[in-house]
Amino acid sequence: QLQLQESGPGLVKPSETLSLTCTVAGDSIRGRTSYYWGWIRQPPGKGLEWIGTIHYSESTYYNPSLKSRATISVDTSKNQLSLRLTSVTAADTAVYYCARHHDLDEFDSWGQGSLVTVSS
Amino acid sequence: QSVLTQPPSVSAAPGQRVTISCSGTSSNIGKNYVSWYQQLPGTVPKLIIYDNNKRPSGIHDRFSGSKSGTSATLGITGLQTGDEADYYCGTWDSNLTAGYVFGTGTKVTVL
Repeated sequence: QLQLQESGPGLVKPSETLSLTCTVAGDSIRGRTSYYWGWIRQPPGKGLEWIGTIHYSESTYYNPSLKSRATISVDTSKNQLSLRLTSVTAADTAVYYCARHHDLDEFDSWGQGSLVTVSS
Repeated sequence: QSVLTQPPSVSAAPGQRVTISCSGTSSNIGKNYVSWYQQLPGTVPKLIIYDNNKRPSGIHDRFSGSKSGTSATLGITGLQTGDEADYYCGTWDSNLTAGYVFGTGTKVTVL
């Protein structure tokens, strides 16, 4: 059974960089060419926002509104993907989810989420 | 800002049917598959419909999806208290700055 687990600091200071890692268990990130892996966030009390998606070939796609600050990478040897978001502000406070993005269509398996608060 | 528009809320009595609309454009819903996600209070979003109208294993057939032109619809029949949740549509947008877009979300309340 596929499992995804986000990890990283729960508190980040304004203007600093948010870094999260998602560890994938139960399947290989390179399992199928149709497997892509994405990051989604949800500010408290608000809706879902797609951040970006990566393929194990390292093709990446980003939300235009975050593209200048977000970097998604993959480490196939560790079966992990990572997210870096630079120059954070309070508006970046959210629960951050990693998920499998099947064929760039549906997000069919989600991690439990990691709450990141941006505050001094 | 989401480019997929959903009603903020819908409600019905137990056993009734509700529908949730998701309105998009020719570059997103008009061109790509639509998915639907259920987020029960305090939990992780869960895929309940993919490829417009397919249900993942374990999802009850009370949930159905359809698409026509640039709009999609999620239907829930035999409404139960356990269906109270936020529901989001989502699809790929094939415009110049391609990417995935979620709907604004709809809160379903069982009266």
